[in-house]
Amino acid sequence: GDSVTQMEGPVTLSEEAFLTINCTYTATGYPSLFWYVQYPGEGLQLLLKATKADDKGSNKGFEATYRKETTSFHLEKGSVQVSDSAVYFCALSVMEYGNKLVFGAGTILRVKS
Amino acid sequence: GAVVSQHPSWVICKSGTSVKIECRSLDFQATTMFWYRQFPKQSLMLMATSNEGSKATYEQGVEKDKFLINHASLTLSTLTVTSAHPEDSSFYICSASHPGFYEQYFGPGTRLTVT
Repeated sequence: GDSVTQMEGPVTLSEEAFLTINCTYTATGYPSLFWYVQYPGEGLQLLLKATKADDKGSNKGFEATYRKETTSFHLEKGSVQVSDSAVYFCALSVMEYGNKLVFGAGTILRVKS
Repeated sequence: GAVVSQHPSWVICKSGTSVKIECRSLDFQATTMFWYRQFPKQSLMLMATSNEGSKATYEQGVEKDKFLINHASLTLSTLTVTSAHPEDSSFYICSASHPGFYEQYFGPGTRLTVT
């Protein structure tokens, strides 16, 4: 079945540090890939997405590139802020399966000032 | 645009009672809505997919008689937890999607505590 694996957290960084959260996937069809963010006490928000190979999704300084050859969609940000502290979920969906989202386990990011 | 609301945001109920959670798409028509369950410090688990006007499709291991889902209109889906038990305590999240689009828009979630 389809699955998403992301690096375990928590990830603790100092402000302005470089962030990478690894995400790899397995899918039986051609998936769309997503990163969602969940701030404390809030619901999930779509952070960025990519629908085909080599697409780069970007938003709020975060970016991720859809790498079909390595089945990866790693999240990066050049300089994190305290306000980026949240849980980050990598996810995929396959249109043939009704666009159901399959989530990774989530990675807690803590940014210290 | 694409706002999804849930009501209530939190609820406490006694064991053996039923509780209904509403999910509304406020500014678009959602032919498909999804219900998820999230345990503390864990990921989201898809419970069921509901399409307007038809029966919900439940994921394996989810009791359809316990978690009743109704999608009566293009803007409203409800999840009723029947005969709730403490192990049903969790964070329930819904999402909605536009017809023909892959993106899902999430509600803020409902915290259910069964005492």
